[in-house]
Amino acid sequence: AQKITQTQPGMFVQEKEAVTLDCTYDTSDPSYGLFWYKQPSSGEMIFLIYQGSYDQQNATEGRYSLNFQKARKSANLVISASQLGDSAMYFCAMRVPNQGGKLIFGQGTELSVKP
Amino acid sequence: DAGITQSPRHKVTETGTPVTLRCHQTENHRYMYWYRQDPGHGLRLIHYSYGVKDTDKGEVSDGYSVSRSKTEDFLLTLESATSSQTSVYFCAISELGGATRTGELFFGEGSRLTVL
Repeated sequence: AQKITQTQPGMFVQEKEAVTLDCTYDTSDPSYGLFWYKQPSSGEMIFLIYQGSYDQQNATEGRYSLNFQKARKSANLVISASQLGDSAMYFCAMRVPNQGGKLIFGQGTELSVKP
Repeated sequence: DAGITQSPRHKVTETGTPVTLRCHQTENHRYMYWYRQDPGHGLRLIHYSYGVKDTDKGEVSDGYSVSRSKTEDFLLTLESATSSQTSVYFCAISELGGATRTGELFFGEGSRLTVL
C-alpha cells in the first residue's frame, strides 16, 4: 500500500534562514509523482513543486527545492531564505499510476517563521 | 487560478439530516475529487470521478455518496450526517496528460461542515 509520512508536526525557523521539511514515502510502483502543497491560515491549497520518479535532477521552483533521494524514499522540501509569509501548513503528497490521478497526502507540517 | 467553486462554504446541520456539497468547475478537467481535512490526518480522499457517471471510492468513503451527471459538477452527499463527519471538505480537479506535465490537483476553497 502507498503511504506518505511527515514526522514533523511543527517546526520553527528564523526569518532569512533555510528550512527542510521531511517527507518519506512508500510505494512498490516504479512510476510515481511527488508533490508539495502549502496551506496558509486562510485555508487554500497552493501547489508548490513536483518531482517525477524518473526525473534525474531535483526539482526547483524559486525558493523551493525538492531533495529527492530515491533509494531512501524521501522527498524533503527545502525552503531557502524563509519569509514571514512562509508560515503555513505544508503537505507532501504522492500520486501513483492507474489510480485516477488521485494524491495520497501526509499529515502535514506546520511551519512558523520567526522575525 | 483554476475555476473551482464549492458551495456552500459553511454549513451547520444536525445529526441525521442529509447534506449535499457541490463542486463546480469551469476548466473542463476530466478528474474530480472530494477530500476531507481533519487535524492530524492531512487530506483523505473520499471519492473521485474520472468522467461523467464514472466514480470510485477513496479511503474514507463510508457514509458518503457522489454523483457526476455533467463534466462540470461533482456532488458529495452525506445521506445521514454524523458528528464524525464534521470536517473541512475540499474539492479538487486535475487533467492528467494535459497542459501541465505534472497533473497537479487544483483545489477549491473548501467547505466547512459542522454536524451537531
